Amino acid sequence: AQSVTQPDIHITVSEGASLELRCNYSYGATPYLFWYVQSPGQGLQLLLKYFSGDTLVQGIKGFEAEFKRSQSSFNLRKPSVHWSDAAEYFCAVGQNTGNQFYFGTGTSLTVIP
Amino acid sequence: EPEVTQTPSHQVTQMGQEVILRCVPISNHLYFYWYRQILGQKVEFLVSFYNNEISEKSEIFDDQFSVERPDGSNFTLKIRSTKLEDSAMYFCASRSGPNTGELFFGEGSRLTVL
Repeated sequence: AQSVTQPDIHITVSEGASLELRCNYSYGATPYLFWYVQSPGQGLQLLLKYFSGDTLVQGIKGFEAEFKRSQSSFNLRKPSVHWSDAAEYFCAVGQNTGNQFYFGTGTSLTVIP
Repeated sequence: EPEVTQTPSHQVTQMGQEVILRCVPISNHLYFYWYRQILGQKVEFLVSFYNNEISEKSEIFDDQFSVERPDGSNFTLKIRSTKLEDSAMYFCASRSGPNTGELFFGEGSRLTVL
């Protein structure tokens, strides 16, 4: 069965520090992988996505993620975190069909001055 | 930039009442979804809809739930008799086609059942 695991429920980083949010997936075929961000009271905004090709993908707001098939991972990174990055981050895996996406439980990011 | 819009943003209802949540997907999209997020929990899939019929639904989407595309623009989620545990944020999403991958989400409708 398809699933997504985000092992870190909550992460706190200092502003300007680097960030890595972990995501592992279980999927039978080549997955479509996504990272979404949810600010308080807001909807889900796509940060970046991986379908195929280059395993290092660039997204909005300076985020990037690397697909590692051997580790079934799609970790999100940012070299220097800004206070405005404080939010909930969700990893998701989907298919190239009209059917559902599977979301991880999310990682809450706190940024301290 | 086109976006998915949802109404109402927040609805408070009494247990046992019917609720309809409305969504206007992006106009050229063909696949429509409802997800829900109970406070502090993960985003859970409810149902997907394509070609005027349900293509997939989860165990959560029982007989109390229904979806409809009454016209060319709206996509609605109806809960016939709300329960306390239906309190959640409900997200509508749409997608243009099978090979584009990305879901575009609305900002959500918060449902509070008292």
